[in-house]
Amino acid sequence: DAGVIQSPRHEVTEMGQEVTLRCKPISGHNSLFWYRQTMMRGLELLIYFNNNVPIDDSGMPEDRFSAKMPNASFSTLKIQPSEPRDSAVYFCASSTADGTSTDTQYFGPGTRLTVL
Amino acid sequence: AQSVAQPEDQVNVAEGNPLTVKCTYSVSGNPYLFWYVQYPNRGLQFLLKYITGDNLVKGSYGFEAEFNKSQTSFHLKKPSALVSDSALYFCAVRDARSSASKIIFGSGTRLSIRP
Repeated sequence: DAGVIQSPRHEVTEMGQEVTLRCKPISGHNSLFWYRQTMMRGLELLIYFNNNVPIDDSGMPEDRFSAKMPNASFSTLKIQPSEPRDSAVYFCASSTADGTSTDTQYFGPGTRLTVL
Repeated sequence: AQSVAQPEDQVNVAEGNPLTVKCTYSVSGNPYLFWYVQYPNRGLQFLLKYITGDNLVKGSYGFEAEFNKSQTSFHLKKPSALVSDSALYFCAVRDARSSASKIIFGSGTRLSIRP
């Protein structure tokens, strides 16, 4: 199993540019989570999907952030326009959340985003 | 509402000594409890979890954790620390009552093992 795959691993962009982060969950997992990690705020859950449907997006900072999951094997997190304060490591995680499982989450390697 | 607290930002232990990383939680129902470890420039890795049953849970790399319902704690322990255990450790909790409830992570504890 390849695990959760994220791309790119590193992204450097200028303020105002659009940034798209990508995630491929583990095959067979039906829940997908986007997290942001910074020194100041720690690990924050941004949004999570179950069966491709967004369940809770209360952690999305503002309208500049959007996430989609068009199918079971792909999700994107988009920031438009990006700002320096968006600089962080963004993690994608997946799990088998079927209501009876215990939801161990498997994390990808992360995307380190730097907005100049 | 559910929450999890890791009261120590950093724990320092000499190699070979026992280690404890503390975690307390708050949920309305019964908890599912997890420990994850993060090595530098890596994503979080699952260590162990408590769902039900035996209060002492054994996990990867010789780690174990004890669920204490009366103290609402789930401390991570290891009898003999290794330098390679140095990493960032996260405790997490989920309310077992609802499949829609999300996992809440603690702020993390940095474990440093000196040779």
